[in-house]
Amino acid sequence: KQEVTQIPAALSVPEGENLVLNCSFTDSAIYNLQWFRQDPGKGLTSLLLIQSSQREQTSGRLNASLDKSSGRSTLYIAASQPGDSATYLCADLNSGGYQKVTFGTGTKLQVIP
Amino acid sequence: ETGVTQSPTHLIKTRGQQVTLRCSSQSGHNTVSWYQQALGQGPQFIFQYYREEENGRGNFPPRFSGLQFPNYSSELNVNALELDDSALYLCASSPAGTSYNEQFFGPGTRLTVL
Repeated sequence: KQEVTQIPAALSVPEGENLVLNCSFTDSAIYNLQWFRQDPGKGLTSLLLIQSSQREQTSGRLNASLDKSSGRSTLYIAASQPGDSATYLCADLNSGGYQKVTFGTGTKLQVIP
Repeated sequence: ETGVTQSPTHLIKTRGQQVTLRCSSQSGHNTVSWYQQALGQGPQFIFQYYREEENGRGNFPPRFSGLQFPNYSSELNVNALELDDSALYLCASSPAGTSYNEQFFGPGTRLTVL
């Protein structure tokens, strides 16, 4: 059974800092991985998708990478802004090779102006 | 392009009742997944529907059931509601013609069970 852990659980940084969020999987057989952000009480907004043939993806100030050998993914946020404050979640989109999605526990980020 | 929509936004029920939540998938998407998110937790996968059939299921009891319709919209039904069913219920759809299972989420339905 896939389990996904995100470290740290919470993070508070001053505006402008670069930061790294981590995601680790008990089953390293990751086919496709997706990162999301969630604002309080809202649905999830997709940030980046790393497909099975890829190792990283970039969108603006965000970069996500996946190391299948270690079962770890990182989300790098450059030059953080107060608008980046949210909970960030990673998800294994094909847990056990099936159409089953397993989410991490989330990292709550606060960017202080 | 219309995104994923869900109804209702909020719902209050009492223990033992039944509830139906609805989801319309994004245009061009043919797969729908449902999730339960308790406060402070990550979403938990309930099940996925593809071509009107259940295509994957998480660790939820049979009182959680679903339907997918020919237009790819979907319903989540929960029978015999329990207090622990209080949560945000999220629906996500995935594009047709890909194998990535990429998830696009709706805004959710907040269910409170008293």
